[in-house]
Amino acid sequence: GDSVTQMEGPVTLSEEAFLTINCTYTATGYPSLFWYVQYPGEGLQLLLKATKADDKGSNKGFEATYRKETTSFHLEKGSVQVSDSAVYFCALSDTGNQFYFGTGTSLTVIP
Amino acid sequence: GAGVSQSPRYKVAKRGQDVALRCDPISGHVSLFWYQQALGQGPEFLTYFQNEAQLDKSGLPSDRFFAERPEGSVSTLKIQRTQQEDSAVYLCASSATGTTNEKLFFGSGTQLSVL
Repeated sequence: GDSVTQMEGPVTLSEEAFLTINCTYTATGYPSLFWYVQYPGEGLQLLLKATKADDKGSNKGFEATYRKETTSFHLEKGSVQVSDSAVYFCALSDTGNQFYFGTGTSLTVIP
Repeated sequence: GAGVSQSPRYKVAKRGQDVALRCDPISGHVSLFWYQQALGQGPEFLTYFQNEAQLDKSGLPSDRFFAERPEGSVSTLKIQRTQQEDSAVYLCASSATGTTNEKLFFGSGTQLSVL
């Protein structure tokens, strides 16, 4: 069945460091891929998405490229800020309207 | 409404009690989802509605779990005879239409603790 495997955390970075959070997926069809973020005390919210191979999703300085050949959708940001501290979830949506989420990666950015 | 609203925010139940969790989706949103999120895990799919029709309930862990959305707006997730393993955060999400790759809007969740 469909699934998402996400890099385990927690991740701690200094401000302005480069961020990569790895995500790979397994799907029977041609899924759409997402990154959701959960800031402390808030609900999950969409960060970015890509709907087909080679698409790049981007938002707030974050980006991720849909790589079909490696079944990956790694999240990157060139220079993280303290305000980026949150839990990040990789997810996929295939036919049938189900979303499959990874286990989440906690990021803490220290000044 | 401005966003997806869930109530109560916290619920403590004794083992064996029945609980009801409420979700108010964004007004006009067609699709509504329930997820269960255990501590340190990602959300796990429970069930999905399109308007009042429950199109997928494959994620409900047992027949103690029941969800409804009778008028295609507010939804209630009911858990009968709660067990300790039911302790989790229950998330509700809605989306505007029923397309597969559409953005989900999440509520803040109901944290259920079964003692």
